[in-house]
Amino acid sequence: ETGVTQSPTHLIKTRGQQVTLRCSSQSGHNTVSWYQQALGQGPQFIFQYYREEENGRGNFPPRFSGLQFPNYSSELNVNALELDDSALYLCASSSNRGVTDTQYFGPGTRLTVL
Amino acid sequence: QQQVKQSPQSLIVQKGGISIINCAYENTAFDYFPWYQQFPGKGPALLIAIRPDVSEKKEGRFTISFNKSAKQFSLHIMDSQPGDSATYFCAAEDGGATNKLIFGTGTLLAVQP
Repeated sequence: ETGVTQSPTHLIKTRGQQVTLRCSSQSGHNTVSWYQQALGQGPQFIFQYYREEENGRGNFPPRFSGLQFPNYSSELNVNALELDDSALYLCASSSNRGVTDTQYFGPGTRLTVL
Repeated sequence: QQQVKQSPQSLIVQKGGISIINCAYENTAFDYFPWYQQFPGKGPALLIAIRPDVSEKKEGRFTISFNKSAKQFSLHIMDSQPGDSATYFCAAEDGGATNKLIFGTGTLLAVQP
């Protein structure tokens, strides 16, 4: 186990709704990255947070937003859900922004949009 | 240029055999190449990683071979076991201000007993 936890494990929403996913990073880690993994695909980078600020973003629309808290835990918010948002959402924590460092992944949250 | 191409898509190996998965990249700014193992319903777990100044790295039954000039790297699993059956992802990190990972499309490995 990596020490990275995510909640909830599974979530079912309907199109147009909003969702918040949560991640607790590994002890000592100050950087959290979020990835979306569609079925049968590799994870795609959404964005990264470092010391409570967004530190880079992938090709995802603004309805994907996030937060990082002083204890380095993080939230991913998705507004106006679309069917294509159905995926496994992974967070990964690491210890130092901008320095090549191992990213440790949590178990993910499986989001289903109906 | 940000892609990492992975092959094969799926692989069947007999117990005790060697599993080989290949990846290729274009972006020469990539400076860290991890391999992750993912079981169904779980998050990816780091298996082994290499930096481009090294041509080979071995950890137990797992070896990464890295060819910087060809921009290719591969994972070798020696003495493959049924418990190795999982999806394997190669990845590359661009080492910029955001150390984001670019993942390959994955290889589903089945080791037959």
